[in-house]
Amino acid sequence: DTEVTQTPKHLVMGMTNKKSLKCEQHMGHRAMYWYKQKAKKPPELMFVYSYEKLSINESVPSRFSPECPNSSLLNLHLHALQPEDSALYLCASSSGPGITDTQYFGPGTRLTVL
Amino acid sequence: QQQVKQSPQSLIVQKGGISIINCAYENTAFDYFPWYQQFPGKGPALLIAIRPDVSEKKEGRFTISFNKSAKQFSLHIMDSQPGDSATYFCAASSSARQLTFGSGTQLTVLP
Repeated sequence: DTEVTQTPKHLVMGMTNKKSLKCEQHMGHRAMYWYKQKAKKPPELMFVYSYEKLSINESVPSRFSPECPNSSLLNLHLHALQPEDSALYLCASSSGPGITDTQYFGPGTRLTVL
Repeated sequence: QQQVKQSPQSLIVQKGGISIINCAYENTAFDYFPWYQQFPGKGPALLIAIRPDVSEKKEGRFTISFNKSAKQFSLHIMDSQPGDSATYFCAASSSARQLTFGSGTQLTVLP
C-alpha cells in the first residue's frame, strides 16, 4: 500500500482563523514533506521531517507551523494566513535517507483564504 | 544550478500517437530522475524513474531516455490515450533528497 492520506480535502478560512492540515501514512516511511502548489505550477517544498525531526525549512513564513507527532503523522498548523496562501497543500513521504527515495504524494488539501 | 528545465509547456497529441516531453538539468550532483503524473485536483503520482547509470528504462507504454553527457532526459508515451491527459512533471534529486521539479507539461490526448 503506497497511500498517503490528507484531511480535509477542502478548507476555507478567514485571515484570522487558526486551522490545521493533517497527513498520515502507514508505509513505515521515516521522511515526510509538506509542499505548496499553485495552479499550473510545480510543487514547492516547504518542510522536511526526517525521523520525526524537522530537517529542512525552506524559509517558510511563521504563519505556517509544522508538527510531526509521530512517524506516521504530519500536521501543518495555519494561523493568520493571507489570500496569496491559497493553494493546494501536498503531503508526501519517502522511506528514509537513501539517495533514490521515491516520494509518495497524498491527494492534497485545497486551501482557500478569504 | 538547481533548475530543471522542462519543455514543452503544453502538448496536444492524437490518440495512438507518441507524446515526448523533454527535461534538462545543470547540477551534476543529481542522481535520481523521477517523472510524476498529476490529474486535476489530485496529488502527483510517480510514473517512472531512472538513475544515471542506465540510458533507458521502459515500463509499459512509458519510457525514460537518459543522456548523461548532455544532461538531458525525456519521457516517451507510446500509443497515447485520452486517459493519459494530465500534467507531467520531471524531477531530479541528489543525496539531499530534495526534489527539484520541472515546470510541468500539460498533455492533452485527443480521442
